[in-house]
This record gives sequence, structure tokens and C-alpha cells, in this order.
Amino acid sequence: GAVVSQHPSWVICKSGTSVKIECRSLDFQATTMFWYRQFPKQSLMLMATSNEGSKATYEQGVEKDKFLINHASLTLSTLTVTSAHPEDSSFYICSARTGPYNEQFFGPGTRLTVL
Amino acid sequence: GQNIDQPTEMTATEGAIVQINCTYQTSGFNGLFWYQQHAGEAPTFLSYNVLDGLEEKGRFSSFLSRSKGYSYLLLKELQMKDSASYLCAVFQAGTALIFGKGTTLSVSS
Repeated sequence: GAVVSQHPSWVICKSGTSVKIECRSLDFQATTMFWYRQFPKQSLMLMATSNEGSKATYEQGVEKDKFLINHASLTLSTLTVTSAHPEDSSFYICSARTGPYNEQFFGPGTRLTVL
Repeated sequence: GQNIDQPTEMTATEGAIVQINCTYQTSGFNGLFWYQQHAGEAPTFLSYNVLDGLEEKGRFSSFLSRSKGYSYLLLKELQMKDSASYLCAVFQAGTALIFGKGTTLSVSS
């Protein structure tokens, strides 16, 4: 149990375009989903916390107008990177949990490359 | 705020034992996780400590001292496949896991 999927697993796009990444909890309902970003040889950095039906809470330094997060249901959250630039190239990982005291389960990640 | 420190890199040989330390300073604490991450992959869960003491799980063990803000991950009988990054993450109830910068372990034959 507790499987989180992400789609796509990798994407290459041109600078200036927008990319949407989906995160789904397959066998449980996730009240909260998190989006992390990881640059090469660095650790996971929390970008935002997303609660179902409400606006996402962004970490300091993360542009909310650039990284649009939608958590429309208890099993789906999406991250849209708008007007992507090469510096947005990174590994984006989502995670989900069922409650505030519960374990976070991680998706397999999405590798974004912006040319 | 939170501050989580762990060594950047460590090296060891096959069959050896290695201990990866993690120190943390947080305003709230509800447990500490260790994850393993191979290059290009998502982190995978190794252990969770919420009470002081040692948790043993096969070749991997994790220790926690809440009063000292200290944890370690102990890897025994190292294998080449253990070469990976090991991430220490602090859990505060109601918030997201916050990760340390990770320790890259290289195991050589």
C-alpha cells in the first residue's frame, strides 16, 4: 500500500513553455501533498505544501506565480512550471500523507530539462 | 527555524561498518527519518526514530538521542549497492519533512 505516482517521469521542454507534473496517491487519500525540488548533488528542498481544496503554502524564495500548485482532490496534486527556463531544470519529487502525524510517501520523481 | 547537519561525503570498503551522523536543531520534534537515495531516483525509507535508543533493521540500524539532538545511521556488512546518498530528515507534526543536505557514501571493493 501507500503508493504515490508521478507523471511524467521525465520531460524535456523549450524555454518559455509551461510544464505540468501530476502527483497521485494510488491507494490512499492524501490530505496533504508536498512538492520538493532537488538540484544535482543537493538535498531535497521543500517548495510548497498543498492541502486539498485550499491554496498551497509556498516556502520562502519559491515564486507562487511561477510554480502553480493545484490540489483538486484527495488523490491528485499538480505542479505547473510556467514559462520554464533552463535554471528550472531539476528533479521534482512529490510526497503525500494521510494526516499530520503520518508518514510521508514519496513519488518516483520527475526529471525536468529545459532547453 | 531548523538546522540539520550531516557530513557531505564518506567512503568505506565492502564488508566494513560505517556510521553516518546527523545533528539537528528544531523548534519542534516528532521524529527523525533516514532515507536512502540512489542517483536519479526518489528517496526510499530506511528508518524512523521517535524515542531515544537504537532501532535495528537487518544490516541497518538507527539511533536517536533527543536531548542531544543527535542521530546516526549504522550500516553493517557494506555492499557495493549501498553506495548512495543518505538523507536525515526531521519530522514536525503538521509540517513537511525537512531534509538535511545528505551524505554521499561511496563503497569500494
